[in-house]
Amino acid sequence: DSGVTQTPKHLITATGQRVTLRCSPRSGDLSVYWYQQSLDQGLQFLIQYYNGEERAKGNILERFSAQQFPDLHSELNLSSLELGDSALYFCASSAPGLAGSETQYFGPGTRLLVL
Amino acid sequence: QKEVEQDPGPLSVPEGAIVSLNCTYSNSAFQYFMWYRQYSRKGPELLMYTYSSGNKEDGRFTAQVDKSSKYISLFIRDSQPSDSATYLCAMVNNNDMRFGAGTRLTVKP
Repeated sequence: DSGVTQTPKHLITATGQRVTLRCSPRSGDLSVYWYQQSLDQGLQFLIQYYNGEERAKGNILERFSAQQFPDLHSELNLSSLELGDSALYFCASSAPGLAGSETQYFGPGTRLLVL
Repeated sequence: QKEVEQDPGPLSVPEGAIVSLNCTYSNSAFQYFMWYRQYSRKGPELLMYTYSSGNKEDGRFTAQVDKSSKYISLFIRDSQPSDSATYLCAMVNNNDMRFGAGTRLTVKP
């Protein structure tokens, strides 16, 4: 158990809908990362937050947004869902360290199925 | 060309075999290198973390980094069926982290 929790574990929804995925980082970790993992794309970095502020952006679509709250939990919002958004969404967290050296610990993921 | 190349396999070996997993990369700015293990339907878990060129050993696992060749490896000695998983390499430059596609390994009893 990495100490990172994600809810829900599974989510089934329809195209055009909006969903919110939630992540609680490990105690003491200030950074939260979101990843999408699909069979054909592998693990894709979406976005990183550090202590409430956006720090880095990856291949995140405009239909997707995220935020990190004062208690450090984070939410990933996916809107206007398409069939291709079906994937595993992982959250990871890391402790403060030398820039670039933070080790990321992954949550169990949320499996999203868009029908 | 992808920044990080990793053969997706699948790789199947008998129990007790030595397994070699590899990644190559193109960006010489990568400074930190990691190997993650991901069991089916689970999140990746950190196995090894290295910074400099050379070898780092942890039990049956050895991580090797060759920065001059932009090549990293993970060796698993005395492989066990419980090692069956997907292994992802990852590397970091500042806050930019890139993953390989993952190699699916099966260790047969």
